[in-house]
Order: sequence, then C-alpha cells, then structure tokens
Amino acid sequence: DVKVTQSSRYLVKRTGEKVFLECVQDMDHENMFWYRQDPGLGLRLIYFSYDVKMKEKGDIPEGYSVSREKKERFSLILESASTNQTSMYLCASSLTSFQGGYTFGSGTRLTVV
Amino acid sequence: RKEVEQDPGPFNVPEGATVAFNCTYSNSASQSFFWYRQDCRKEPKLLMSVYSSGNEDGRFTAQLNRASQYISLLIRDSKLSDSATYLCVVSPSGGYNKLIFGAGTRLAVHP
Repeated sequence: DVKVTQSSRYLVKRTGEKVFLECVQDMDHENMFWYRQDPGLGLRLIYFSYDVKMKEKGDIPEGYSVSREKKERFSLILESASTNQTSMYLCASSLTSFQGGYTFGSGTRLTVV
Repeated sequence: RKEVEQDPGPFNVPEGATVAFNCTYSNSASQSFFWYRQDCRKEPKLLMSVYSSGNEDGRFTAQLNRASQYISLLIRDSKLSDSATYLCVVSPSGGYNKLIFGAGTRLAVHP
C-alpha cells in the first residue's frame, strides 16, 4: 500500500510565524501535490512538483512556497502565516502513468491565530 | 465560474434508494474524469474513473457527456456506508496528472 504521511494532524501557529508542513511518500511517485480544502470551495491546488527540485504553481500559490530536495519529500512553507491560511492542507502523490490516481495523506488541520 | 461545479446537497436518502449526482466542467479540453469519495474528517480516495462509454463498478455507474460537459454518478441500492461526500474530478490537458476537484456533493443514507 502506498503511504503518504503528513507530519502533523493538527497545528496551531501565530500570525507572522514561518510554518513548515512536511509530506513523505514511500512508493517512488514522480508527482506530488499540495492542496488546501475549505468548506464550499473544495480542494484548491497550491503547488505541485513532477520531479526533484522541480515545482509548478497551482491555482492559489500566493503566500506559499515549496521545496522538493528528495523524491519522497515535498514540503509546503507558509512564509508568514496569516489567519486566512487557516485551513485543512492535503498532500498527495501520483504516478504520471496512473492518470487520476492520487494517494492523499490524512491532512494537516492548520489554525493561525 | 468554477471549473468544476457540483450541487453541494445534502442528499438525504433511505437505504435501498437510487441516487444520482451530476457535475459540470467548464474546460472543453479536459481529458480525464473521476469520482472520488471523502468520508467525514478523512482524505479523499479514488472511487472510479469515468469513461466516454460509461462504466460500472458494482452498484456504482459513472457516465460522461462530453458534448454537454457533464459527468454523472449513479448509486443503486444505497447502503448506510455510502454516506460520504462525492467529489467530481477533472484532469485538464497539459500533463503532470494535475487534477481539478469539485467542492463535493454530500450524501446521507438513513435507515
């Protein structure tokens, strides 16, 4: 079974803090993604990566950055956390050859106070 | 306009009922289509792919209408365990297996 592991299930941070969300997958998937999920808005793509050190902006990249130094790890960074970044953050990975087949992590519920 | 639109529901149905969800997408160049299921406080999981010819997996049937740009999911003989949010998902052209998710339709099956 492919596993996508997110480092924290719940996180509370203060406004202005730099926040790191970590995601690790164990099945050698090329592609990794960060989404945020908000009620009524669904999942929105923040950033994705299709190879080590490669990254592409998604639909809502503002206020975020990412890092992929190793194939199995994809980090999301909130440079200066704000209250409107309070959300559920979901990491996913996939094979390029398996269209549509994402495996998600269990999510990180981030609250910025 | 959202790229993928769904009726948020909730759809409240008794066990054994047949229920159908529709979803529309705006990008006519979209290449692939899927339904994901998300249980309360859990991550989304792939339920099934949607093919132009339609496809069936047990009690679940998915249909695609490219001309009208909509996708449907039919659930027959609903079970309590079908209660979840169903996400309509579209893959735009361009590779990298990028997916666009709808906000989801909530289904509640009651005894």
